[in-house]
Amino acid sequence: RKEVEQDPGPFNVPEGATVAFNCTYSNSASQSFFWYRQDCRKEPKLLMSVYSSGNEDGRFTAQLNRASQYISLLIRDSKLSDSATYLCVVNLSGYSTLTFGKGTMLLVSP
Amino acid sequence: EPEVTQTPSHQVTQMGQEVILRCVPISNHLYFYWYRQILGQKVEFLVSFYNNEISEKSEIFDDQFSVERPDGSNFTLKIRSTKLEDSAMYFCAHGAGGADEQYFGPGTRLTVT
Repeated sequence: RKEVEQDPGPFNVPEGATVAFNCTYSNSASQSFFWYRQDCRKEPKLLMSVYSSGNEDGRFTAQLNRASQYISLLIRDSKLSDSATYLCVVNLSGYSTLTFGKGTMLLVSP
Repeated sequence: EPEVTQTPSHQVTQMGQEVILRCVPISNHLYFYWYRQILGQKVEFLVSFYNNEISEKSEIFDDQFSVERPDGSNFTLKIRSTKLEDSAMYFCAHGAGGADEQYFGPGTRLTVT
């Protein structure tokens, strides 16, 4: 049983492009949802939490569809510095344990 | 973003040796976590620690692993007898608990030879 699944990637996009990442999770009772980014050989860094109403932070928009158990992240106007692996992270159990997806690598080229 | 420091940044050890990985989180957080990431694989939960006790652990966290907060500040992960497959990045994290977000330290790269 795959608990948190993401697009396999990598995504190669030019600067300025809009890119969308998708994620599904297995437990309908999951409590909280996050997107983290991870640069090569670095720690995961919180990008944004995902709320039921959807939320936006600058060029980044996150959406949650509880009925479909689906989470998305949209990045508009991609920058070179957006190149990283994007991790879909879910609190599946109601405890504080986080379950990570395998991540989707994004490569933004000039 | 609150800081978490981890030492050492890189540890090389021989199979069968004991290693202790250290984490210094913000002192007013009560929940601490250890995760690991084998090269090329996803981040995996090991253990959570609350109020000086283990609150949850995964199947990975077997008898070879232990956690402590020996002096009220440092938070340690000990692997008693390392195996080759223990080679990974080990991340300490902290948070407010429950469904809240967690903040990760820079990690310790453990290489078992």
